[in-house]
Amino acid sequence: GAGVSQSPRYKVAKRGQDVALRCDPISGHVSLFWYQQALGQGPEFLTYFQNEAQLDKSGLPSDRFFAERPEGSVSTLKIQRTQQEDSAVYLCASSPPTSPLHFGNGTRLTVT
Amino acid sequence: QKEVEQDPGPLSVPEGAIVSLNCTYSNSAFQYFMWYRQYSRKGPELLMYTYSSGNKEDGRFTAQVDKSSKYISLFIRDSQPSDSATYLCAMSGLGGSQGNLIFGKGTKLSVKP
Repeated sequence: GAGVSQSPRYKVAKRGQDVALRCDPISGHVSLFWYQQALGQGPEFLTYFQNEAQLDKSGLPSDRFFAERPEGSVSTLKIQRTQQEDSAVYLCASSPPTSPLHFGNGTRLTVT
Repeated sequence: QKEVEQDPGPLSVPEGAIVSLNCTYSNSAFQYFMWYRQYSRKGPELLMYTYSSGNKEDGRFTAQVDKSSKYISLFIRDSQPSDSATYLCAMSGLGGSQGNLIFGKGTKLSVKP
């Protein structure tokens, strides 16, 4: 497909479990962003990659959150020891340089 | 006070109406302004992208930016039921993807047939 692909679409985790969320950006897109969208809110920035380099991780809410993009294409957002407040939709977006973001449909995480 | 303020609605209008959606912001460093449309259980989809002040038109959509008032608007003419969605304003101080976006909360719009 031509768009940003995220998997899984839905994830239910028990509190304390680790989860890994995957993002396949549009081919050739240098920039990749992760956002968190709580119910009824706008997306909030988590972290930004340019190729494989993580240039900004200022939005990650705690050290339980970790993101990587080792080969400059696919990215994984990992959340360790999930808490109920981590329940949200996690959105991935990619773009060429100096162009607006193209978003995937997100992974809806529910922590029980 | 949040950096970007947007009335969450909901806003309900009859088909064919002109819709006006607005955001205010506090950070004068914002230079790039976007409107995204988000359908239920989907990701945000870019509608309009503007730089600095002025107007931009694309089909039934018009985006306006007034930097002196720190106020941006999206107008939808001849609204259709398919326009029913949440509309998110977003802005950044750096071009395109080089800066992280600050989003409003979104306004939920319903266009009734």
